[in-house]
Amino acid sequence: GESVGLHLPTLSVQEGDNSIINCAYSNSASDYFIWYKQESGKGPQFIIDIRSNMDKRQGQRVTVLLNKTVKHLSLQIAATQPGDSAVYFCAENILHSGGYQKVTFGTGTKLQVIP
Amino acid sequence: DSGVTQTPKHLITATGQRVTLRCSPRSGDLSVYWYQQSLDQGLQFLIQYYNGEERAKGNILERFSAQQFPDLHSELNLSSLELGDSALYFCASSVSELGTSGRHSYNEQFFGPGTRLTVL
Repeated sequence: GESVGLHLPTLSVQEGDNSIINCAYSNSASDYFIWYKQESGKGPQFIIDIRSNMDKRQGQRVTVLLNKTVKHLSLQIAATQPGDSAVYFCAENILHSGGYQKVTFGTGTKLQVIP
Repeated sequence: DSGVTQTPKHLITATGQRVTLRCSPRSGDLSVYWYQQSLDQGLQFLIQYYNGEERAKGNILERFSAQQFPDLHSELNLSSLELGDSALYFCASSVSELGTSGRHSYNEQFFGPGTRLTVL
């Protein structure tokens, strides 16, 4: 029978264009954020992280923007390639000195790159 | 190959049983993280250890427990298994603790291939 799973929002992008994947987080106390990529049939891969004392961070072809005012995080992928096709998850974390930390994942966005 | 190993790759068991999943982190990594990924719940963070000490907790059920041993490998114990525990369980490791990235460094996590647990 058919499995019922999470319905993921899908972003379709032409190869070579830039992609922007958005994530709204829920807790204003969250102070650390991570983006992960998961290709079909594979485990998650770490892409980039950012602490709340920064509003922008750049990696290789990726940029993460953090807007704490509206609790919004975005991942920009430059010159999107077919290999970028995957599900992208954001995660928010609350760091507590000497105490437990709490990590919460978003449901994910599926990026489809059109060749 | 991330350098993180997980055993077993597949596990099929019955409701009510107990299983142990094992993770060996990359050489030199002190942090180990456990995640659960199911079709209806998506990806969830369970727990993190750093150098043998529990440091972060997520949506981990009381029926689940974990530990990190002196050699830094970690085990995730799942007991009184229910059908809903069927999922992929991923382990990841990193050099530092969660959130310790600086302006010019990342606390990159490396994921293992996962253990697929099926509870019948």
